Amino acid sequence: QSALTQPASVSGSPGQSITISCIGGSSDVGSYNLVSWYQQYPGKAPKLMIYEDTKRPSGTSNRFSGSKSGNTASLTISGLQAEDEADYYCCSYAGSRTFVVFGGGTKLTVL
Amino acid sequence: EVQLVESGGGLVKPGGSLRVSCAASGFTFSTYTMNWVRQAPGKGLEWVSSISGSSRYIYYADSVKGRFTISRDNAKNSLYLQMNSLRPEDTAVYYCARDPTGGTTGYFDPWGQGSLVTVSS
Repeated sequence: QSALTQPASVSGSPGQSITISCIGGSSDVGSYNLVSWYQQYPGKAPKLMIYEDTKRPSGTSNRFSGSKSGNTASLTISGLQAEDEADYYCCSYAGSRTFVVFGGGTKLTVL
Repeated sequence: EVQLVESGGGLVKPGGSLRVSCAASGFTFSTYTMNWVRQAPGKGLEWVSSISGSSRYIYYADSVKGRFTISRDNAKNSLYLQMNSLRPEDTAVYYCARDPTGGTTGYFDPWGQGSLVTVSS
């Protein structure tokens, strides 16, 4: 069982927007502005898409956005494209004892 | 270009040992916290261990504490994970990943391509 809770799957049609939630607790998501999101294609390494809750690395499409409210972080993908079909993982810093926790991952299907 | 390349994975029997390595290039290796993250076949990501640039701060997941040792050689731009007392549940692709901030923030960019470790008799 993962420390952060994500839906196992989400789907959307091209052009639509989808949101993936990531539910943590007061010792991780709720305590630090250090939630990150990763995109992973089958057989490939994960790629950082969002860091520090809402920031996008250079080169990441502005169709990807992050937000947070309390113990729940969210990743929104707007203008859905076929190439967005992948697994998405959230991650949070959790202090010097636990350090880092991941969500279980969400499979995004573009219909 | 920042690049991380893992090596050293393979098949090992339960109870055995293995060391995976990560060769870094394209950045000043000694100034960055480095990490190992693993992914069991068909499963999600699991953080394993982190080491600060000077090796002063080291962290382990409870699942590997006492069995795995993270280390680095800044002169060789290399990161290591010594894995002892391996169990079948340690079977995974092991990724090397950099904390891009120069500190310890718990996020990772970039990642290496991964090295598969299989623990089986």
